[in-house]
Amino acid sequence: AQKITQTQPGMFVQEKEAVTLDCTYDTSDPSYGLFWYKQPSSGEMIFLIYQGSYDQQNATEGRYSLNFQKARKSANLVISASQLGDSAMYFCAMREGAGGNQFYFGTGTSLTVIP
Amino acid sequence: DVKVTQSSRYLVKRTGEKVFLECVQDMDHENMFWYRQDPGLGLRLIYFSYDVKMKEKGDIPEGYSVSREKKERFSLILESASTNQTSMYLCASSLLAGVTGELFFGEGSRLTVL
Repeated sequence: AQKITQTQPGMFVQEKEAVTLDCTYDTSDPSYGLFWYKQPSSGEMIFLIYQGSYDQQNATEGRYSLNFQKARKSANLVISASQLGDSAMYFCAMREGAGGNQFYFGTGTSLTVIP
Repeated sequence: DVKVTQSSRYLVKRTGEKVFLECVQDMDHENMFWYRQDPGLGLRLIYFSYDVKMKEKGDIPEGYSVSREKKERFSLILESASTNQTSMYLCASSLLAGVTGELFFGEGSRLTVL
């Protein structure tokens, strides 16, 4: 079974609007961390936001927030007030506590911001 | 500024050539990783290392080997490159244990095998 599933290969959003990128995960480990990365066309992977499995509140970093629904095993990324520079690939990833060395990645979502 | 540096951004090699991709990190991280990225497949783990001279196979180790002689350096080796190894290769590092430490990535090496 896939550890991380991203079901949206491509998304479009109007500039200044908010957009939600979906991510579901699969683990039986009670301790895990969830990460989102941005990959612009230049290729570099940029860390955006982190959510721990024991965190009570949803993580936020500037215009990025993580909608963490533990019972549904989802960790959706919300980008508010989209900018043209947000156009990129976005990857969801998970690190488990028991096998903490490995990171599992989804297949990514390509976001295009339309002016 | 913390950094993961990959030796080459772009390489073009011929089938059968030996290819070295080098990665250096300056954060004193125990873990280092090599991923392969292909469209629609996301990032797939080739090998990782949690200590000097230690290595673990990832999901797609066939056709690849690695070397970690020093903590800061992790090399990926293609003994005999093939056209199906044309891809983007990403090196990354992280702290050893715990779920909070994120991966730090290099800029990637785009390899074309002709």
